[in-house]
Amino acid sequence: EPEVTQTPSHQVTQMGQEVILRCVPISNHLYFYWYRQILGQKVEFLVSFYNNEISEKSEIFDDQFSVERPDGSNFTLKIRSTKLEDSAMYFCASRLATGSNTEAFFGQGTRLTVV
Amino acid sequence: AQSVTQLGSHVSVSEGALVLLRCNYSSSVPPYLFWYVQYPNQGLQLLLKYTSAATLVKGINGFEAEFKKSETSFHLTKPSAHMSDAAEYFCAVSGSSASKIIFGSGTRLSIRP
Repeated sequence: EPEVTQTPSHQVTQMGQEVILRCVPISNHLYFYWYRQILGQKVEFLVSFYNNEISEKSEIFDDQFSVERPDGSNFTLKIRSTKLEDSAMYFCASRLATGSNTEAFFGQGTRLTVV
Repeated sequence: AQSVTQLGSHVSVSEGALVLLRCNYSSSVPPYLFWYVQYPNQGLQLLLKYTSAATLVKGINGFEAEFKKSETSFHLTKPSAHMSDAAEYFCAVSGSSASKIIFGSGTRLSIRP
């Protein structure tokens, strides 16, 4: 069964460092998303991406964040200068979004720990 | 704009008892509604979805949910709880087939032996 894969599963980084979280969405999907979940809290929308551009972003997704689909298969989230409060689980999702195929498929997540 | 409210951050039931997890939605357009489950230290797995076809939706693991427009609700039920059902459950809404999915705050389901 097709699945969304994320790497790494866990990343530890020092405050102020740049991190890149990687995702391989399901191959025929058209819409891509990043969400984050701070420990014990709700799943929060960060950004959606369609047709090689950001279609929507939340207030959380400030200038420190960027997304890219560099090669037609990977979908990356970059945090330029990490802060302690960026520590969270980051989920990538993809969605076919045609007809009744409306659900998003989520990866297993990358746990980011900023120290 | 869309939002969901999950009533009860923690629900505890006995094994074999009925599970009822409550979700109310708000949407300015006909909604797509979802229930996702998250087991400890894992990702989000789709349990079921409502996409304007049948109002009673059956999902995996014996769960089902009923869309009630008059009550703006999409409660999740399972007739008989199993220990393996212990997890975090998220109700979610989307305004179209392409827009972002908005999650509720989640309900942690515990099962008592």
